[in-house]
Amino acid sequence: QVTLKESGPGILQPSHTLSLTCSFSGFSLSTYGMGVSWIRQPSGKGLEWLASIWWNGNTYNNPSLKSRLTVSKDTSNNQAFLKVTSVDTADTATYYCAHTRLYNIGTTVYVMDAWGQGASVTVSS
Amino acid sequence: DIQMTQSPSSLPASLGERVTIICRASQGISNNLNWYQQKPDGTIKPLIYYTSNLQSGVPSSFSGSRSGTDYSLTISSLEPEDFAMYYCQQDASFPWTFGGGTKLELK
Repeated sequence: QVTLKESGPGILQPSHTLSLTCSFSGFSLSTYGMGVSWIRQPSGKGLEWLASIWWNGNTYNNPSLKSRLTVSKDTSNNQAFLKVTSVDTADTATYYCAHTRLYNIGTTVYVMDAWGQGASVTVSS
Repeated sequence: DIQMTQSPSSLPASLGERVTIICRASQGISNNLNWYQQKPDGTIKPLIYYTSNLQSGVPSSFSGSRSGTDYSLTISSLEPEDFAMYYCQQDASFPWTFGGGTKLELK
């Protein structure tokens, strides 16, 4: 059974760097086709995909956040990480991590098939 | 970026009713369309991937289909636990994008 749990600072000040950890079990980020994605949701609004990191170390970031995002992983400890630099109030949201699989079925399919409970982050001075 | 337009944004319905939610992409996404359910406590449950494939444990009352550029999520007979928010999401190209959501509420 795949489980994921996000953890983070809860509250941080504008211009600081947000660091989030996704601790997971039930899969390995060194196994072919496995990945972890990050998604956020401001209160009362929709979902925004932020980034994904894959078993081979490849990463994809949402260009809307320009170069503010960094994703990384610690395969040995079953963790993935998200850093967002220079935060402001617009970064206030619940941040989710999700187990993501890559399938090749004649075409490439990505499936976010298990999500964490989310970590609330508030940016405020 | 591919824009996902989801309709309706609000859907009042009754227990036992059949409902359909539609998602339309701004460009072709070749069946790379997924559906999620979100409960008021924030819990997100994947429902369907690649247009019509049910995730493990999802009741058969849920189904997904495509007609041209429209992708649909249908619930054949509403149960009390089905009243929630629903989102579509495309994984055809990065950045992945979500529809604006549909709030399925009890009439």
